[in-house]
Amino acid sequence: AQSVTQPDIHITVSEGASLELRCNYSYGATPYLFWYVQSPGQGLQLLLKYFSGDTLVQGIKGFEAEFKRSQSSFNLRKPSVHWSDAAEYFCAVGAATGGFKTIFGAGTRLFVKA
Amino acid sequence: DAGVTQSPTHLIKTRGQHVTLRCSPISGHKSVSWYQQVLGQGPQFIFQYYEKEERGRGNFPDRFSARQFPNYSSELNVNALLLGDSALYLCASSPNPGNPGELFFGEGSRLTVL
Repeated sequence: AQSVTQPDIHITVSEGASLELRCNYSYGATPYLFWYVQSPGQGLQLLLKYFSGDTLVQGIKGFEAEFKRSQSSFNLRKPSVHWSDAAEYFCAVGAATGGFKTIFGAGTRLFVKA
Repeated sequence: DAGVTQSPTHLIKTRGQHVTLRCSPISGHKSVSWYQQVLGQGPQFIFQYYEKEERGRGNFPDRFSARQFPNYSSELNVNALLLGDSALYLCASSPNPGNPGELFFGEGSRLTVL
């Protein structure tokens, strides 16, 4: 069965420091992979996606993610975090079997300290 | 351009009642998906509809049902409400259901069951 694991429930980084959020997935075929961000009281916004091709993908707000098939990982990175990046981040895998559905991880809450 | 709109934004129900949640997708999007997000967890897939047909169903009881209308808007119905149904219900539209996961979310309907 498809699944997504985000090992870190929450992470705290200093403003200006680099960020890496971890994501591991389980999926039998080539996955469609996504990162979404959710600010308090709001819906989810797509940061970036991977369907195929270059394994390093660029997204909005200066985020990037790298797909590593050998490690079943799709970690999200940002070189310099801003206070406005504080939010909940969700990794997701799109499954095209048994209908179309997206499976989300439990999320990682990012705190940014001044 | 208007994004995905959901109504109502907040509602309170008592156990045993039923609820109807509504969603209007982004103009031109023909696919609508529904997700349940319990506090502290990632969104859980409930349904996907495309061209008024159910294309995917998550692991939810038959108390949950949905439909899509000719204008591509959608309703989610939940009968015989339980305390555990308290959650944020998110609607998402997609321009292309063939790429599962590329979703545009509304801000959600927060349901409280007392």
